[in-house]
Amino acid sequence: DTGVSQDPRHKITKRGQNVTFRCDPISEHNRLYWYRQTLGQGPEFLTYFQNEAQLEKSRLLSDRFSAERPKGSFSTLEIQRTEQGDSAMYLCASSLTFSELFFGEGSRLTVL
Amino acid sequence: RKEVEQDPGPFNVPEGATVAFNCTYSNSASQSFFWYRQDCRKEPKLLMSVYSSGNEDGRFTAQLNRASQYISLLIRDSKLSDSATYLCVVSPLSGGYNKLIFGAGTRLAVHP
Repeated sequence: DTGVSQDPRHKITKRGQNVTFRCDPISEHNRLYWYRQTLGQGPEFLTYFQNEAQLEKSRLLSDRFSAERPKGSFSTLEIQRTEQGDSAMYLCASSLTFSELFFGEGSRLTVL
Repeated sequence: RKEVEQDPGPFNVPEGATVAFNCTYSNSASQSFFWYRQDCRKEPKLLMSVYSSGNEDGRFTAQLNRASQYISLLIRDSKLSDSATYLCVVSPLSGGYNKLIFGAGTRLAVHP
């Protein structure tokens, strides 16, 4: 499968724990995006990388959230000291410059 | 006020019906417009771009009215497989595939 892959697909954690999600984009795609989607809402933009540079971060991305794309390939999204309000689907997408975004199937986070 | 507003539905229609979805956006600087489709518990996928002149793809027709900041999607001859959530999406950038802003989506259920 040569699409965007995300891991883990599901994560259940207790409040206060740290979690990390990984995204492997389509191999030649230079742009990588993180979105968050809660039930009944559309995806909300979190952050965006062009190669290894993080070019934009949403105000939704509090200081407990950090994203990296160290070599311009895969990316990680870490949430520290999780809160129940962090429960959501975290979607990764990738694209070439000025081309269609392709989304992964998402990583579903449940914070107890 | 949300940047992109949609009627959440659900729209329950019989097979073969014609159904129309509407969407309004608040940022007059928006440059690119799309409809995405999201199946239950799946990732969003691009359905079609929306151009000022209007565009058609088979049974699907999209229209854009920049003056009214209004986007529409018309589905003719509905199929059971059209059942999904339809997300209205805008972008501030021309060529558009950068920071996508999603509406909350309109649910469509097509029944036999």
